[in-house]
Amino acid sequence: AQRVTQPEKLLSVFKGAPVELKCNYSYSGSPELFWYVQYSRQRLQLLLRHISRESIKGFTADLNKGETSFHLKKPFAQEEDSAMYYCALRAASGSRLTFGEGTQLTVNP
Amino acid sequence: DTGVSQDPRHKITKRGQNVTFRCDPISEHNRLYWYRQTLGQGPEFLTYFQNEAQLEKSRLLSDRFSAERPKGSFSTLEIQRTEQGDSAMYLCASSFDLTGNTEAFFGQGTRLTVV
Repeated sequence: AQRVTQPEKLLSVFKGAPVELKCNYSYSGSPELFWYVQYSRQRLQLLLRHISRESIKGFTADLNKGETSFHLKKPFAQEEDSAMYYCALRAASGSRLTFGEGTQLTVNP
Repeated sequence: DTGVSQDPRHKITKRGQNVTFRCDPISEHNRLYWYRQTLGQGPEFLTYFQNEAQLEKSRLLSDRFSAERPKGSFSTLEIQRTEQGDSAMYLCASSFDLTGNTEAFFGQGTRLTVV
């Protein structure tokens, strides 16, 4: 079975502060990990995926297989980063995404 | 908007009634997914199609739920004899997926309220 855990439902930081949204997973094989973001009144959209190893909007995430984690980080948070963030897992050669419960990030001015 | 389109956006129905939702994926996307999201939870997988074939169904999809994608384009999700526990946001997503390695694009969802 595959499972994604996001331990923080709410996270609040000040503008310019570093932010880290935690994601842990359980899966016996080699998963693909994703971060999806949902801004207010907008649809769910892909933020980044671990295989791309790229930075999007200043966010990065590293897959740590030893700790089974895929934490999302940004060194300097901006107010426009306020949104709901979901970590998701897809099994190797699978199709379905398994989502965590989400973390609501609020960046205060 | 050329993204994934869902209709209706909102649906209020009485318990016991049947409801049907429609999803129009991005043109030429061969995979179409249905997810359900309840308050405070992340989306949960229900089922997916590759072209017109329904390839996987979650055990969440009880026998009151049925999904179709008759011509490999739009899809419908029907819930029969709705229950209050069916109240949720129903999300559709699509992808063009030959290698299992592409992005899924989501629609804005249909919010169902069963009263």
